[in-house]
Formats: sequence, structure tokens, C-alpha cells
Amino acid sequence: KNEVEQSPQNLTAQEGEFITINCSYSVGISALHWLQQHPGGGIVSLFMLSSGKKKHGRLIATINIQEKHSSLHITASHPRDSAVYICAVRSGYGGSQGNLIFGKGTKLSVKP
Amino acid sequence: NAGVTQTPKFRILKIGQSMTLQCAQDMNHNYMYWYRQDPGMGLKLIYYSVGAGITDKGEVPNGYNVSRSTTEDFPLRLELAAPSQTSVYFCASRHGRGNYGYTFGSGTRLTVV
Repeated sequence: KNEVEQSPQNLTAQEGEFITINCSYSVGISALHWLQQHPGGGIVSLFMLSSGKKKHGRLIATINIQEKHSSLHITASHPRDSAVYICAVRSGYGGSQGNLIFGKGTKLSVKP
Repeated sequence: NAGVTQTPKFRILKIGQSMTLQCAQDMNHNYMYWYRQDPGMGLKLIYYSVGAGITDKGEVPNGYNVSRSTTEDFPLRLELAAPSQTSVYFCASRHGRGNYGYTFGSGTRLTVV
């Protein structure tokens, strides 16, 4: 079993829809990251969370440490939101030097 | 402020050839990382460095080497390229040991034929 699981793997939405991407993890963490990768492009950091909730524009990220679960929400989705969204956790303990463990990503396609 | 710069963006290698993927950051970050991304898989850590002169293996180091002679540069060397090294490679950096965000480069798409 992967240490970081994302769902769904693929998601197609109509423009304007509310979108939720989920991330569950099985290790103790010091932080969780949400990343965005456009087709053929680089990786951009969206959020880093260790508790609670963060909001940036139409994007909202939440984390429940007790349940080892995080969600990324996109409100009023737009075709430019089409990308792969990656969840990554940082164990941050011992000799790991803060190395990230990545989920496989959720491919989002928003249709106009 | 350029962030993390990776070169080249694309490269085709023949089996057995060698090459160096370049990574440079201008943010004075201590920690630097090399990852590879294969289709349908999460990013895997190849090597990392916590400062100039210090490097360590990640999850998938075989077939690769790194050096960190300066804070800014963290090149990844492929010796005797193999088809299994066909992948997209990302370099990343962050400031220090605490919960700092990561900055990623734009990636290098490498094909070994």
C-alpha cells in the first residue's frame, strides 16, 4: 500500500463546478503539500499545511491530522485549472531531512 | 529572481552515453533535491543535499551521481545511460530544516534509446 493515496485518479468537470481532490496518508508527518503540474510543465507549490485550513483565491486546502486526510477544493472551476494535482507529505523525522513522499497525482480536466 | 533553473529541457541519449543535468538556484537555499517522475507514479527521490559539500542517496540512486560544490548548483550525472532512465527529472530546493515550502524547476525530459 502506498504511503500517500490520492482520489480520484482522474476527474472531469464542467466549468463552474466545485471540485474536491482527496489525499490520505499512513505516516506521521510534519507538513503536507499540494502541488500543481500543468501538461508538459513544471511543478508549482500551491499550499503547505500542518493543521487547519488555507485559502488562496479559488483554492482551499484542509487537513485533518487525526484522520490523516487532506482535501483540496477548487471553487468555480475554470478550464485553466486543468492540471495534475499532487499531494506530498513530509515526514521530517530522523535522517529523512524533510524528504517528501508523493502521491501519484489527480489529473483534472475542466471542460468549458 | 529566477528560482530553480534546470537545463536542458529535453534530451535524447543513446544507451551507454553519459550526460549531466544542470540545476541552479538563486535563493540561497541550503536543501536541494533531484526527483524523477515516471508515468502513473509519484515522484521518487534520487539524491539530495543539505548544503555545499554534503550529499546523500534517496530512494532510487542507482545509475546516478551528484555533487554540491557550491550552494547554488546541484548537477545530476548519468553514467552509462539505460532505457530505464527515460523519465522526467525535477530539481527542487528549500530553505532549511523546518517546514519551508519547496521550489521546483521546470523539469528535464530525458529519453534513452
